[in-house]
Amino acid sequence: EVQLVESGGGLIQPGGSLRLSCAASGFTVSSSSITWVRQAPGKGLEWVSVTYSGGNTYYADSVKGRFTISRDNSKNTLFLQINSLRVEDTAVYYCARLYSPADSWGQGTLVTVSS
Amino acid sequence: DIQMTQSPSSLSASVGDRVTITCRASQGISNYLAWFQQKPGKAPKSLIYAATSLQSGVPSKFSGSGSGTDFTLTISSLQPEDFATYYCQQYNSYPFTFGPGTKVDIK
Repeated sequence: EVQLVESGGGLIQPGGSLRLSCAASGFTVSSSSITWVRQAPGKGLEWVSVTYSGGNTYYADSVKGRFTISRDNSKNTLFLQINSLRVEDTAVYYCARLYSPADSWGQGTLVTVSS
Repeated sequence: DIQMTQSPSSLSASVGDRVTITCRASQGISNYLAWFQQKPGKAPKSLIYAATSLQSGVPSKFSGSGSGTDFTLTISSLQPEDFATYYCQQYNSYPFTFGPGTKVDIK
């Protein structure tokens, strides 16, 4: 069964850093494209980033230069490093495998940026 | 950036109704369009990719159509479990962008 599980969210002060994890099972992260999507409280979905098996990674303008994707293939896990956090980064962060016949979403992890 | 709009922003419908949601892209995106369903407090669920292809396990009452700039999601016979918010998203060019969502609730 294909499954994605996010972790690493929490309460963080503005300017702080956080690393979110997206652990995959049932498929190999290194050979897949993985998308990050976030949703601020009471708001719609916002695309954050996509990373491809070849290593190419793209980011939304709102996070470019502050967010970085990395992988640990031995753990079949993707990471989203979030730096210089802003109040407006407060959201549930989802990782997902999309645009295929068998998409999968994680359950999300909440990041709250507040002093 | 490609802007995605959806109409209506919300609608009230009855069980058994046929429902159509429209999604429009600010420029042509070929068929790089996906539809998602989200219920309160839950992760989104993928319904359709490539504008018309149904995700594995998604019932055939859901269908997608369109190409270029204009797309539709149709639910042929609305059931209680279909009351949710629906989002379209283009993945033709970066940054990928979502529509603002269409909330479907019970009349």
